[in-house]
Parts: sequence; structure tokens; C-alpha cells
Amino acid sequence: DTEVTQTPKHLVMGMTNKKSLKCEQHMGHRAMYWYKQKAKKPPELMFVYSYEKLSINESVPSRFSPECPNSSLLNLHLHALQPEDSALYLCASSPSATDSSGANVLTFGAGSRLTVL
Amino acid sequence: AQTVTQSQPEMSVQEAETVTLSCTYDTSENNYYLFWYKQPPSRQMILVIRQEAYKQQNATENRFSVNFQKAAKSFSLKISDSQLGDTAMYFCAFMKQSHSGAGSYQLTFGKGTKLSVIP
Repeated sequence: DTEVTQTPKHLVMGMTNKKSLKCEQHMGHRAMYWYKQKAKKPPELMFVYSYEKLSINESVPSRFSPECPNSSLLNLHLHALQPEDSALYLCASSPSATDSSGANVLTFGAGSRLTVL
Repeated sequence: AQTVTQSQPEMSVQEAETVTLSCTYDTSENNYYLFWYKQPPSRQMILVIRQEAYKQQNATENRFSVNFQKAAKSFSLKISDSQLGDTAMYFCAFMKQSHSGAGSYQLTFGKGTKLSVIP
């Protein structure tokens, strides 16, 4: 399995809703990433997990809450979002940079398109 | 900090022709990797080609090849025999081991070049 699977593909939510985005990989990768991508822009890094521990938070508002329950799964919990949070949310994974046998590349999922009303 | 510059916001090419997308980067690192990713309208970010900075030989993948000039910090992508399926946004990206991310990588993207292949 060489894929990163993201669900749902599309999500519409109101500003008072609570929802979650899910990301799963079975490549044995120990680093997982959340990116946010606005239309016609490159992806922007939000969070990085390494060995199931949060290692980077790029000053993301607390209405976004990441979680890494195990080495294959990454969630992004959403609460009290704003319309400007509407974007494509991309998950990616990579081997650990300390793993000399791993290919040094990030593999991306197809993304979850989020619309906040 | 690393920067990646793609100076061509949009390009077009006739089907079966060859096109070259430009990318320059700035870094003080010695160990790094360079990538071209493709993002079609379906939005999946797909790896096109990868180059290790320590390798002098230019990477090739079928119809895709790069011209890597390390001293000039240039990393252009050549697409030969362009096909309609090559229509996409192309992102040049620089990657190094993250200093603050304990085993993860730091990936910096350029702003992208929108390529249209014309029948």
C-alpha cells in the first residue's frame, strides 16, 4: 500500500459545528503532516507529527486540534471555524528523516475540501 | 530560511511538444532534496521527479527530466512529448531535514506554474 487516504473528500460545516478530518497511511511512515491550501496557492504547513508526537505547530489557531492516535492515523479536529478557514486540507506522510533506508519524499493524500458557512 | 521561486505563473504547450518549467531556490544547506510535484484539477499532489543535491546526474522519469545546476541553485523541469493529462499546476519544492521536527522533513514550495497542454 503506497497511498495516503483522506476522508471525507468534501465537508461543509457551520461555524458552530464540530467535525473531524481523517488521514491514514500503511506505509510504515513515522512522520505525518497537515497542510492547508487555498485556491491557486501552494500548500502551507500546519502541523507535523513525528513518532506520534506533535513536533511542529506553525502557530495554528486553537480551533484546529490535531491528534495522532497511532502511527498510521492522523486526525484534525475542527471546532468554531471561520469562513476564511475554507480550503483544501492535505495530509502527507514520510519516512523518518533518521531512517536511512527510507525514501526521502512526502507522499500526499487527495485532500479534504472544507467549506465553512 | 529557504525560498523557492517559480517565475512563470502560467505556461501553455501544444500536445506532443516539449516545455521547460523554471525553478530557482536559495539555501545555505548542503544536504537537501528537490522535487517537482504535479497537482491536476483533481487536486491530488503527485510526485513527478526527485533529485538529491549530492548527485550530479540529472534525474529522469520517462518523459520528465530535470536540469539541476547546484552552483546556480536552479532546478528546471523538462516535459517531452506533452500530453493532455499533463495539464496541471506544477510546484517546485525544496526539502531538508527539519531542525525542530525530530525526524521529520521541512518542505518549502514555490508558488507554482499552471501548465496547460493544448490539443
